[in-house]
Amino acid sequence: DGGITQSPKYLFRKEGQNVTLSCEQNLNHDAMYWYRQDPGQGLRLIYYSQIVNDFQKGDIAEGYSVSREKKESFPLTVTSAQKNPTAFYLCASTFSRDNYGYTFGSGTRLTVV
Amino acid sequence: SQQGEEDPQALSIQEGENATMNCSYKTSINNLQWYRQNSGRGLVHLILIRSNEREKHSGRLRVTLDTSKKSSSLLITASRAADTASYFCATDAVRIKAAGNKLTFGGGTRVLVKP
Repeated sequence: DGGITQSPKYLFRKEGQNVTLSCEQNLNHDAMYWYRQDPGQGLRLIYYSQIVNDFQKGDIAEGYSVSREKKESFPLTVTSAQKNPTAFYLCASTFSRDNYGYTFGSGTRLTVV
Repeated sequence: SQQGEEDPQALSIQEGENATMNCSYKTSINNLQWYRQNSGRGLVHLILIRSNEREKHSGRLRVTLDTSKKSSSLLITASRAADTASYFCATDAVRIKAAGNKLTFGGGTRVLVKP
């Protein structure tokens, strides 16, 4: 079955650590996205990528980094420069053409301990 | 920045009643989409309405779009307890081609359907 997989489901980070969240899709989608969701809030765009080896900053990119070496994979690194990383992180993918909906992963909940 | 803003922020209804929520946005759009999120889960795409469409149906869902007022509404008819979730509108703004397509989400409406 085609889908988009995020791992891990829960992640704990110590102060000063970098952590990487995984996102893999087998839907043959061109575009992939990372969103952050805080409790009771909507989604804010961190980074997105339309094609392999290219990505753009979203609205809240500071303290995050990404790579897109393969079409299927779009990992997100939360660096120590991100001062308030505790949140729910959602990855999504779609075709890079107009008028397609997104497919979302099930999310990674990151907590700073 | 929040392009779409939902109203109300929360809604509580009895099973069998209809639920209506609204979304307002600020810039010209290619399409507007509605998503559902169960607590602690990812979002699920419900329906997409293009800028040249005024109404769309999918099962018990009815979406309207008024581009002159920059607003949309989502109606869930004959609600069920299983419809309890948060509902988000998302807009795909008209953009420079090189910028790539991306959705901007509103803050959501939390719907509670009581059995």
